[in-house]
Amino acid sequence: DSGVTQTPKHLITATGQRVTLRCSPRSGDLSVYWYQQSLDQGLQFLIQYYNGEERAKGNILERFSAQQFPDLHSELNLSSLELGDSALYFCASSVARERAQFFGPGTRLTVL
Amino acid sequence: SQKIEQNSEALNIQEGKTATLTCNYTNYSPAYLQWYRQDPGRGPVFLLLIRENEKEKRKERLKVTFDTTLKQSLFHITASQPADSATYLCALDTRNSGNTPLVFGKGTRLSVIA
Repeated sequence: DSGVTQTPKHLITATGQRVTLRCSPRSGDLSVYWYQQSLDQGLQFLIQYYNGEERAKGNILERFSAQQFPDLHSELNLSSLELGDSALYFCASSVARERAQFFGPGTRLTVL
Repeated sequence: SQKIEQNSEALNIQEGKTATLTCNYTNYSPAYLQWYRQDPGRGPVFLLLIRENEKEKRKERLKVTFDTTLKQSLFHITASQPADSATYLCALDTRNSGNTPLVFGKGTRLSVIA
């Protein structure tokens, strides 16, 4: 158990809909990272927050947004969903950039 | 363009042998490199971190080397066991060549056959 929790575990929705994925980092970790993993693309970095502020941005679509709250939990919002958004979404946390990242169990999103 | 390549998609070895996985990169200057293990449907699990000024790092049956001249890292599992079967990901810090905290390779799927 990494200490990172993600909800929900599975999400099935339709194209055009909006969903919210939630992540709680390990106790004491200020950084939260979001990744998307699909079979053909591998693990793709989406966005990082550090202590409530956006720190780095990767290949995140404009339809996606995220935030980190004062209690350090984070939410990833995905809107106008397309079939191609179906993937595993992971959240990770770390104490600092140059340290190990601890990954949650992931949310499997299926868009029908 | 920037690339991370892990030697092969899949590697099969006999139990008890040493597994060697390769991670090559181009157009990055990583300050450190990490290796993770991922089981199907689960999140990656951190294994080892090696910094640019370190040649080698060990942890139990695991050994990582980092050659910044060759732009290559080797990941060894000695006395491999069926329980070592998983996908292994290398990840580069890209602070010197980008804003993404870590860039992951696509992984090598290791199967240890009893």
